[in-house]
Amino acid sequence: SQKIEQNSEALNIQEGKTATLTCNYTNYSPAYLQWYRQDPGRGPVFLLLIRENEKEKRKERLKVTFDTTLKQSLFHITASQPADSATYLCALDGDDSGAGSYQLTFGKGTKLSVIP
Amino acid sequence: DTGVSQDPRHKITKRGQNVTFRCDPISEHNRLYWYRQTLGQGPEFLTYFQNEAQLEKSRLLSDRFSAERPKGSFSTLEIQRTEQGDSAMYLCASSSQGTDTQYFGPGTRLTVL
Repeated sequence: SQKIEQNSEALNIQEGKTATLTCNYTNYSPAYLQWYRQDPGRGPVFLLLIRENEKEKRKERLKVTFDTTLKQSLFHITASQPADSATYLCALDGDDSGAGSYQLTFGKGTKLSVIP
Repeated sequence: DTGVSQDPRHKITKRGQNVTFRCDPISEHNRLYWYRQTLGQGPEFLTYFQNEAQLEKSRLLSDRFSAERPKGSFSTLEIQRTEQGDSAMYLCASSSQGTDTQYFGPGTRLTVL
């Protein structure tokens, strides 16, 4: 069955450094991958979407890469700030049936803490 | 654009009671999704509507769960005979046809005592 792994449950970094979060998946070939931010007690907020034919996408201080050979996406936050502290979720389209689907399948998330 | 709204934000109920949650999607979005999220986990898909038609249902959606979207606008999710294992955050999301991005509401936190 499809499996999504985010490299760590928690990541602590110093303010100003670049945070790098990893999302690995198995047994599936997604058409796209999305990254969301979630603050405690709130719903996920969409950040970036990258398609299978794209290698990299940027938005302000955010950068996402997508390697379909390695089945991995990297999510970077440059010049990190304490306000970036949150849980970051990666999500793939579809489910473990392999059939086309509009649902998203999420990883467990990585809790990022940016220390001043 | 007022975003996706959900009501109530919090619900505490006793085991065995029925509960109903409401979701109002972004007005021009014809697709609506329900997810459930427990502590330390990512959201898990429950069901999906395109307009008023319920097109996908997860294996997680037991017979005690039912969702409707009668006029293709707001949606309700009902849980009958609640169990303690139903305690979770219930999230609603919407998207427009032709786009893949889903926009989430703030969620309804259910606690079953």
